[in-house]
Amino acid sequence: QQKVQQSPESLTVSEGAMASLNCTFSDGTSNNFRWYRQHSAKGLEVLVSIFSDGEKEEGRFTAHLNRANLHVSLHIREPQPSDSAVYLCAVCDNYAQGLTFGLGTRVSVFP
Amino acid sequence: DMKVTQMPRYLIKRMGENVLLECGQDMSHETMYWYRQDPGLGLQLIYISYDVDSNSEGDIPKGYRVSRKKREHFSLILDSAKTNQTSVYFCASSPNWGGQNTLYFGAGTRLSVL
Repeated sequence: QQKVQQSPESLTVSEGAMASLNCTFSDGTSNNFRWYRQHSAKGLEVLVSIFSDGEKEEGRFTAHLNRANLHVSLHIREPQPSDSAVYLCAVCDNYAQGLTFGLGTRVSVFP
Repeated sequence: DMKVTQMPRYLIKRMGENVLLECGQDMSHETMYWYRQDPGLGLQLIYISYDVDSNSEGDIPKGYRVSRKKREHFSLILDSAKTNQTSVYFCASSPNWGGQNTLYFGAGTRLSVL
């Protein structure tokens, strides 16, 4: 079964500095990865979906996928206080079984 | 605007009571999901529904059942709730179960079983 781990558990950044989040997975044959954001007491909002090695940008959010290294990252350019949230990495191996999520990285952005 | 709506948002029940969590979507999505989220465990899949009356167990189905009689509506039922079912429950939907479809999530229902 797919294992998804995220690091760091928490991250504090200054407004305007780059924030980098990491996610490792156990099954290198996976090709369906997503980053979600969850504000406190709210639902999940999809930020970036990536399906092949390389880079995918959506606004200020960029995902990098390297399946050989079992690694997918998320970079947040010019983070703002409103970006303070928990960021979840999700991997889909078999849509019949939904997504497997990591435990998340809590990001705090200070002015 | 694509939307997944969950009702109620907050619920307190006593152990042994029956619980009904409701989820609706306005996107005509075929596939719907129920997850629960717990500290240290993350999001875990309870059930998937591929369409009306076509449901499949997820990773942690024990103690739960589901009902989907209309495509836009998916219910999670706890018969005789237990204290370890205290959690935040999320419903999600996607256009269908194949391909590279995104899952859209509701805002969650926070259930406390006392």
